Amino acid sequence: QVQLQESGPGLVKPSETLSLTCTVSGASISSGSYYWSWIRLPPGKGLEWIGYMSYSGISNYNPSLKSRVTISVDTSKNQFSLRLTSVTAADTAVYYCARGHGRRTVTTVTRDYYYGMDVWGQGTTVTVSS
Amino acid sequence: QSVLTQPPSASGTPGQRVTISCSGSRSNIGSNTVHWYQQLPGTAPKLLIYSDNQRPSGVADRFSGSKSGTSASLAISGLQSEDEADYYCAAWDDSLTACVFGAGTRVTVL
Repeated sequence: QVQLQESGPGLVKPSETLSLTCTVSGASISSGSYYWSWIRLPPGKGLEWIGYMSYSGISNYNPSLKSRVTISVDTSKNQFSLRLTSVTAADTAVYYCARGHGRRTVTTVTRDYYYGMDVWGQGTTVTVSS
Repeated sequence: QSVLTQPPSASGTPGQRVTISCSGSRSNIGSNTVHWYQQLPGTAPKLLIYSDNQRPSGVADRFSGSKSGTSASLAISGLQSEDEADYYCAAWDDSLTACVFGAGTRVTVL
């Protein structure tokens, strides 16, 4: 079955860039119309959706993070990545990667649909501290 | 302040039925499907319900979802000790073009 595994540094200094990778096993990242997603859980708070990127290049990000976030897909390595710039202590969290389901319709307007995330990585803790 | 509103806590005794509400607006629950997640302590979230009321394979039929207008609910019937967890609702928001979560509801089995 499909499995996801996050990797990356557990400690990042304030103002620097947080970079995490999610390795997909058991399926090709380019098969199906999946939305490869990142979500985080800050200590003592609830889940926060960060954003997604599809193999075909469809992306959306949390408006509160949009100016600092990039999600990319690397089909050659069957991985997708998160990059978050100018981090502060508020970015300290457990970061999860997940496989999402969605679609985009384009008629006179573009409309996005997102149906949920059915496969999750185990999560990786990132602390922002000097 | 979360876009979707959930009660912070809910509780019940073994065997009871517990219901968790999730209130939103026309741009999210009113226009899109709702999904629910269970997060057991120290583990990753697990998809419990998608498309308002559909259970993924392997999810016990004790869990059920419903939606009416701009509100949704998750019901747990025959409550068991292993149901102690945090539960989150989520939906796509057309105005934000983003997925929004509720703040989560902690379920305690008394």
